[in-house]
Order: sequence, then C-alpha cells, then structure tokens
Amino acid sequence: GAVVSQHPSRVICKSGTSVKIECRSLDFQATTMFWYRQFPKQSLMLMATSNEGSKATYEQGVEKDKFLINHASLTLSTLTVTSAHPEDSSFYICSARTLRLQETQYFGPGTRLLVL
Amino acid sequence: KNEVEQSPQNLTAQEGEFITINCSYSVGISALHWLQQHPGGGIVSLFMLSSGKKKHGRLIATINIQEKHSSLHITASHPRDSAVYICAVNDSGGGADGLTFGKGTHLIIQP
Repeated sequence: GAVVSQHPSRVICKSGTSVKIECRSLDFQATTMFWYRQFPKQSLMLMATSNEGSKATYEQGVEKDKFLINHASLTLSTLTVTSAHPEDSSFYICSARTLRLQETQYFGPGTRLLVL
Repeated sequence: KNEVEQSPQNLTAQEGEFITINCSYSVGISALHWLQQHPGGGIVSLFMLSSGKKKHGRLIATINIQEKHSSLHITASHPRDSAVYICAVNDSGGGADGLTFGKGTHLIIQP
C-alpha cells in the first residue's frame, strides 16, 4: 500500500520558536495533502488542505499566519508552526491523496509536538 | 458540515468476543472510513466504504446509506485489537474536503 512518512515523529521546543513538520508521500504523487491536529482525548480535526502548487485552504479558526503550509512538490508538504506556544502542543498528522484515487487517504504516522 | 457520532465511546471485552462499533452521520457522504489508532498515535486505514460490506481478515465493515449508519465488527477479538477505532466521512461533493471524524471508540480486549 501507499506510504506516507512524517518527520520528525516527536519534537520538544521552547515557547516562541518555530517548528517545521514534513510530510512525504514515498511511493506515489500526492496531489492533495491534509493536515490534522489531535488534542489529547479529542477527535482529529482538519486544519488545512493543501494542493500542490497552490495556497493552502485553512479551516475556520486555524490561523494561516501561524500555521504555514507549503506544498511545493507532489511528494512533500510542510507545516511550520511559527512562534509556538504551549497551547500548540498537540499531535499533528498529515494524510495524502492521489488524483487517481480521490477518496482514499493515506495517513502519516504523526508528529507529537510539545512546547515548553 | 457533517456530524459523526460513534458508539460506544469505550468498550472492554474478553478475548474471543464478537465486537461491534457503530457510526452514524448526519448528511450525505461520498465515502466512509474506518481507521485504527494505536497508543502511539499512528493511524491505519482499515476500510473505505461507499456501499455494502467489506471484509478483511477478522474485520467486517458495513454501511447503510439510507440510514446513514455504518458498523465495524471484529470477530474472535484478540488483545492486539486493543486500539481506538475512528469513523470518518467524506462529505458528498467529490471528496474535495478533508475528513470529518468521530470521537473514536476506545476498545480494550482483555486476555
């Protein structure tokens, strides 16, 4: 099956720093990538949808200037949490979708972010 | 926006028992997904359904489009099945949006 990787798997940073999370589709071209966030004991929530070569579409309540998304190629999307604060501590998961199989999403393993 | 409800929220059962997890949603969908999330957080996609029934090993997923309801069944449950099972849907309209998720069912299978 299709493989999606995320890096790093875990990151601890100081408040005020920026953190970049990478999401890669390893064996297919991902025309669309999704970024989700999961707070403890809560369901996953969609943050933004990114299509290769165009600006990301953010869900209501997600600050686009704080969560910078770049989808520069068909195999890589990055999420940068700028000026991270403790309330940004969460589990961030990406998923990727191909043009051919529009409704199949392949999930990355997730990145656990802890902001001190 | 779709509302996805799962039941039960928590389920503890003995090894070997037949397990059923239910999912209902509020508006039409193009596809429904069953996902498995392990304690470390990683998510595995188990099924994607738009109609009928699918089977993979000991797992069976069914969907009733008219009733807006899906069930995930586990036969001959085993402690390694312990995980959070999440139902998620693509709203109708070509799946342009990301998924809407239920809150998950925390399943524990005791030996």
